[in-house]
Amino acid sequence: NAGVTQTPKFRILKIGQSMTLQCAQDMNHNYMYWYRQDPGMGLKLIYYSVGAGITDKGEVPNGYNVSRSTTEDFPLRLELAAPSQTSVYFCASSPGTANTEAFFGQGTRLTVV
Amino acid sequence: AQSVAQPEDQVNVAEGNPLTVKCTYSVSGNPYLFWYVQYPNRGLQFLLKYITGDNLVKGSYGFEAEFNKSQTSFHLKKPSALVSDSALYFCAVSSGYGNNRLAFGKGNQVVVIP
Repeated sequence: NAGVTQTPKFRILKIGQSMTLQCAQDMNHNYMYWYRQDPGMGLKLIYYSVGAGITDKGEVPNGYNVSRSTTEDFPLRLELAAPSQTSVYFCASSPGTANTEAFFGQGTRLTVV
Repeated sequence: AQSVAQPEDQVNVAEGNPLTVKCTYSVSGNPYLFWYVQYPNRGLQFLLKYITGDNLVKGSYGFEAEFNKSQTSFHLKKPSALVSDSALYFCAVSSGYGNNRLAFGKGNQVVVIP
């Protein structure tokens, strides 16, 4: 029972490089989310998806893009990495209704230098 | 839009003593309230939630939380803290009104002293 799987666990990028953070869930959840966690700031929502083919911006979407071609996968794309994107990124999924808990991946620690 | 306040950055408690982590919220409509715990280098794990009904909610690892509508609070409690409870605790709120998205507080570091 894998739950939510994120890859890679760690990555160092140079300014201006691009990369994709992968996220997959095997619970057939409709909702998926990307958060970033910065020290003392809690979790900020970057993008979310309510189902395959549907995505929407969260609180801090600038510099990121997402796609949702299948129920299982929700990759996050950084096109031109900037030092401000140094953070820990978490993917999560939930069945969808507001009263259900979210399940989180282990996180990706990204450093942009 | 919904929001959560966790007023303390760090909570220190001696092992065996009661532990309380505070949370207040703001939301339109009825609140759905959650507590999550994060151990070092790990993702968030669900502890408990309040949806409706009894104001005292019991969850994993001996934790409980009390919903207080008049004070818009949802404080997390444990009667006797363990060293292994040392972690980062997040309160979160969503609502059936609007976009259903979870809003997280900034988190509280709990340190249980042996």
